[in-house]
Amino acid sequence: DAGITQSPRHKVTETGTPVTLRCHQTENHRYMYWYRQDPGHGLRLIHYSYGVKDTDKGEVSDGYSVSRSKTEDFLLTLESATSSQTSVYFCATMGGVGADTQYFGPGTRLTVL
Amino acid sequence: QKEVEQNSGPLSVPEGAIASLNCTYSDRGSQSFFWYRQYSGKSPELIMFIYSNGDKEDGRFTAQLNKASQYVSLLIRDSQPSDSATYLCALEGAQKLVFGQGTRLTINP
Repeated sequence: DAGITQSPRHKVTETGTPVTLRCHQTENHRYMYWYRQDPGHGLRLIHYSYGVKDTDKGEVSDGYSVSRSKTEDFLLTLESATSSQTSVYFCATMGGVGADTQYFGPGTRLTVL
Repeated sequence: QKEVEQNSGPLSVPEGAIASLNCTYSDRGSQSFFWYRQYSGKSPELIMFIYSNGDKEDGRFTAQLNKASQYVSLLIRDSQPSDSATYLCALEGAQKLVFGQGTRLTINP
């Protein structure tokens, strides 16, 4: 599991509320990623980070923001949750120079009512 | 835009047979390819990676890469019911992975 935890593991929230998901890793990996997984769409990249305070958008970034103030933590925020953001969210990490294998956290199931 | 295509299945294979999973990709410049397995309700776990043309074997699993034809395959020999899962193909570019939709595999006892 590359020492990756996600919190919360399950969350139910209402439309319009802000939501923050946390990813924590103990491997000191440089790269961190947030994906969402939906039936028929596979895994899609939301945002990623290539270092502390260094982040960039993925293919489905609208409505999401991220922050990385420490190597070990990568936060995903839904600024105003919508029902279309109901999904399973996975965090992943990748190691240092020359490494290109990603390891995934256990996932967070988010339901927006 | 890199694209990865997989047949979503379901693919049904009898126990003990060889399961063959295929993946095609659009970017000729792609160098690194990965196969992940995902059980229902769980996170993806890495099975194999392959960088060079040809075959790479690891136990019951064999990954095959053909860059000229732009496809990568995963063979599972002596399939077991515990192999029933969704298999995700991915390619790497610029420190990011692009995933296919996954193929759902069912091994029938």
